[in-house]
Amino acid sequence: GQNIDQPTEMTATEGAIVQINCTYQTSGFNGLFWYQQHAGEAPTFLSYNVLDGLEEKGRFSSFLSRSKGYSYLLLKELQMKDSASYLCAVDSSASKIIFGSGTRLSIRP
Amino acid sequence: DADVTQTPRNRITKTGKRIMLECSQTKGHDRMYWYRQDPGLGLRLIYYSFDVKDINKGEISDGYSVSRQAQAKFSLSLESAIPNQTALYFCATSDREAGANVLTFGAGSRLTVL
Repeated sequence: GQNIDQPTEMTATEGAIVQINCTYQTSGFNGLFWYQQHAGEAPTFLSYNVLDGLEEKGRFSSFLSRSKGYSYLLLKELQMKDSASYLCAVDSSASKIIFGSGTRLSIRP
Repeated sequence: DADVTQTPRNRITKTGKRIMLECSQTKGHDRMYWYRQDPGLGLRLIYYSFDVKDINKGEISDGYSVSRQAQAKFSLSLESAIPNQTALYFCATSDREAGANVLTFGAGSRLTVL
């Protein structure tokens, strides 16, 4: 079967750093995505990893280890507007894109 | 205008009624997807299509059907709605020509089945 796991909820402090982990087991692998979803809105694309290693984009970075079936999203210099759900997704076999259940991140002042 | 448009945005219906959710896109993407989102369950794939002649079942296709009327239009139907189909439904598109299969989502259609 296909399985993508991430923590349900996390809390962090404004200005700090937070790491959101994602582990996956899928029938195929063509890349891993992170999306951000604010309450009541559609998900928006944050990052994409297809090779092992770290991809950095401003305050956000994403890491992938294909051998371990593991990724994380790192958010630095947290801002209140970063309060949202963060969705891990895998482009599996036949371009079927499967999502984890999402991590709801709350930022406290 | 939005790149991916879903109609209706909100719908309340009764058990047993037929419901159609429509999705149209102006991005020229060939791939289109339907997902449903439930609290605590994330996004689950219902159906996806790579072109008008290519329709594929996702994780939870039972109770749903789709129609790809044109490259730009992908409709989701519930032939006989039931209460556990109450959810937020998202349409998404992606471009096969791009390096990564990045999804662009519509704003969502909130369906309530009484």
